[in-house]
Amino acid sequence: DAKTTQPPSMDCAEGRAANLPCNHSTISGNEYVYWYRQIHSQGPQYIIHGLKNNETNEMASLIITEDRKSSTLILPHATLRDTAVYYCTIGSGGTSYGKLTFGQGTILTVHP
Amino acid sequence: DVKVTQSSRYLVKRTGEKVFLECVQDMDHENMFWYRQDPGLGLRLIYFSYDVKMKEKGDIPEGYSVSREKKERFSLILESASTNQTSMYLCASSTRDRGRSPLHFGNGTRLTVT
Repeated sequence: DAKTTQPPSMDCAEGRAANLPCNHSTISGNEYVYWYRQIHSQGPQYIIHGLKNNETNEMASLIITEDRKSSTLILPHATLRDTAVYYCTIGSGGTSYGKLTFGQGTILTVHP
Repeated sequence: DVKVTQSSRYLVKRTGEKVFLECVQDMDHENMFWYRQDPGLGLRLIYFSYDVKMKEKGDIPEGYSVSREKKERFSLILESASTNQTSMYLCASSTRDRGRSPLHFGNGTRLTVT
């Protein structure tokens, strides 16, 4: 499974965009990029995923570089409730049955 | 919305006890997973199952076993609990969509072994 690298922590002002980077330089052609977040004492919550095109949903946008070696999760207008640990992970189909490997994640703190 | 329910939020057991952690999902998902989460180590995959009665070892299966007798239920078993199995245990499920389906997690069971 491809490995991901994220900064351990980031800060963001409330109302501003939060841009969370992730490096996945060993990603292979059939592997998707997934983002999850975990608020204290809850299970991880799915945010968004993509293969090679940029994606947007009601929670966030995902920008994947053309070479697919890195991506950025964008929370367009961060709120205090977005304070959480954000995980970038890589997964593929075939025999791995959607198995995902999680790293340490980025602790995002949104300040008033 | 997909719901993944873990039977207990908090559990305290003694060393040597046999412990069952239960997980139920209500979306007819084929895949189910058990992870444990520890400070500084992130989430680590213990076991997963892609069908009833099927199971595969994850990254840290030692000391654990699993059971999947029905599609909606996936049980994690600690045959003889030890203190190093004190952890947060997270269950997840997904559809078999060639890996594109995201994982849906329960809220976890915090197990303490004394």
